[in-house]
Amino acid sequence: DIQMTQSPSSLSASVGDRVIITCRSSQSISTYLNWYQQKPGKAPNLLIYAASSLQSGVPSRFSGSGSGTDFTLTITSLQPEDFATYSCQQSNSSPYTFGQGTKLEIK
Amino acid sequence: QLQLQESGPGLVKPSETLSLMCTVSGGSISGTTYYWAWIRQPPGKGLEWIGSIYYRGSTDYNPSLKSRVTISIDTSKNQFSLKVSSVTAADTAVYHCARRAYSGSYYWFDYWGQGTLVTVSS
Repeated sequence: DIQMTQSPSSLSASVGDRVIITCRSSQSISTYLNWYQQKPGKAPNLLIYAASSLQSGVPSRFSGSGSGTDFTLTITSLQPEDFATYSCQQSNSSPYTFGQGTKLEIK
Repeated sequence: QLQLQESGPGLVKPSETLSLMCTVSGGSISGTTYYWAWIRQPPGKGLEWIGSIYYRGSTDYNPSLKSRVTISIDTSKNQFSLKVSSVTAADTAVYHCARRAYSGSYYWFDYWGQGTLVTVSS
């Protein structure tokens, strides 16, 4: 199985900040990488697919980049509704595996 | 707007079978470009893909669970289901159903249910 490792595990930031979350895969996955946002008790929300494609309806302050084994999710100008947990997921090969999540909290 | 809703018992005894249903509304489960998936999240841990099914019935399971998992689909009711046999406390988790979309060789989970907590305890 491909292991997905996110850093940091948690992060404190303020409204208006720029935040970068990193995801690393245990082997090369090209650009087969997706990002999700999750809030307690709610359905996860797809943000980015294929490493850098913005899902329809997702604000442009979210962006993704990377290829191979190293990927980033960047949120520019944090908004109050962005405080949540973010997870990466590889779709290079089955079983499709997720990172452990990065919890973004208000400073 | 597509919606997915999980349903089923919130408490299952050890060694018994966990059974959940996902009802899809606002769209057809028979779409040719989609698979339908189950994903779970144990308390305090990351998400884990359990398996997926195509509307024609072909399945793909996580090898770590394959011996205990069955996913089936009922296109007439726009539903698909999950069964996990011989459960233990390690199967305690929030279980989500989701739609797996694809374009070329790229896959992603674009619609999810909010999840249902299943606790395995006597």
